[in-house]
Amino acid sequence: EDKVVQSPLSLVVHEGDTVTLNCSYEVTNFRSLLWYKQEKKAPTFLFMLTSSGIEKKSGRLSSILDKKELSSILNITATQTGDSAIYLCAEYYNFGNEKLTFGTGTRLTIIP
Amino acid sequence: DVKVTQSSRYLVKRTGEKVFLECVQDMDHENMFWYRQDPGLGLRLIYFSYDVKMKEKGDIPEGYSVSREKKERFSLILESASTNQTSMYLCASSYRTGPLNTEAFFGQGTRLTVV
Repeated sequence: EDKVVQSPLSLVVHEGDTVTLNCSYEVTNFRSLLWYKQEKKAPTFLFMLTSSGIEKKSGRLSSILDKKELSSILNITATQTGDSAIYLCAEYYNFGNEKLTFGTGTRLTIIP
Repeated sequence: DVKVTQSSRYLVKRTGEKVFLECVQDMDHENMFWYRQDPGLGLRLIYFSYDVKMKEKGDIPEGYSVSREKKERFSLILESASTNQTSMYLCASSYRTGPLNTEAFFGQGTRLTVV
């Protein structure tokens, strides 16, 4: 069974710290890897990664894919309390039809 | 703006009832997905569909069925609701991946309580 594994499961840091969230996947027929942020409602899209080694950036958030290591990281610099959320990693893969599988998520808490 | 709409935000049903959760998207997406989300378990895929009348089992299909009679609508059916199906249910939709890879868009979720 294809699996997406995220670590850590939860993380508590102080405002202003930098955090790195990890995601690993184990599958062939990889199409893309996605990161989402979920606060109290539906997940909102952050990044889609398809090519290894190319960093995607949006403000204080950035993400990169390593296809050799079958992994991705999400970095958040100068964290703010508004960054507190569950961060979800998901993978599209193609086995004839396309399946989108999520990891368990990382719960990030930023303390003022 | 892409819109994925789930018919109810909150539902309370009795054990043994047949429950329908509806999801409608307005972007002509081929792919549609149903997940349930429980604390510590992330989003687990129940069923997905890549075209009208087509469906595939996800990772936890037991106790559920789905229907996709029209491209924009994907229904999740709990044939006989049980208390262990109390959960947050999330619907998502996306284009087929290809040269124009796009993300999946989510509905607002339905919190189902089975009593």
